[in-house]
Amino acid sequence: KAGVTQTPRYLIKTRGQQVTLSCSPISGHRSVSWYQQTPGQGLQFLFEYFSETQRNKGNFPGRFSGRQFSNSRSEMNVSTLELGDSALYLCASKMVGLGANVLTFGAGSRLTVL
Amino acid sequence: GQQLNQSPQSMFIQEGEDVSMNCTSSSIFNTWLWYKQDPGEGPVLLIALYKAGELTSNGRLTAQFGITRKDSFLNISASIPSDVGIYFCAGPNNNDMRFGAGTRLTVKP
Repeated sequence: KAGVTQTPRYLIKTRGQQVTLSCSPISGHRSVSWYQQTPGQGLQFLFEYFSETQRNKGNFPGRFSGRQFSNSRSEMNVSTLELGDSALYLCASKMVGLGANVLTFGAGSRLTVL
Repeated sequence: GQQLNQSPQSMFIQEGEDVSMNCTSSSIFNTWLWYKQDPGEGPVLLIALYKAGELTSNGRLTAQFGITRKDSFLNISASIPSDVGIYFCAGPNNNDMRFGAGTRLTVKP
């Protein structure tokens, strides 16, 4: 079955702009999590969505937001971009239930802010 | 949230050598996961451990779930150039997944 699909893979924006990233989870996976990865900070948890509701949230400013649709696809948005938002944004999905705690990652969306 | 303590941060080894890395936490985990990330890609699951004391192999990779449930080890035997990448340990904590900072492995031919 298809893996986690993230689009776009690469994008370049300028400061002050906003960006929307998309994630299609593995079929049957209802939980979608987003992570920011930078060389200095490693994998930082942004938020998790399940059944169209944000279930968990990391320590990021309100400029970072997300949503999940009824088909479990998810989007994340970053408004008023800053240089420090340049990073690889990873989406991961998982099944939900007893013992279902393994994340499957997408290839990521690499954002460069100029 | 609390991150996992992973070491070493980086390793430079010769092809054919064995590699060991570990991960510790002050909290107990019921699952330990090891991921590998190739440059420009997302992390890929290598091994999942579900039971304290469990020793699991996947080809040249062997991982162990510590008896205290607060640590885990990953060993790679007879390294090859394609082992290059960043290795992450991870443990689920309620609805969150905690990650180590990663071990960057370089293999010299």
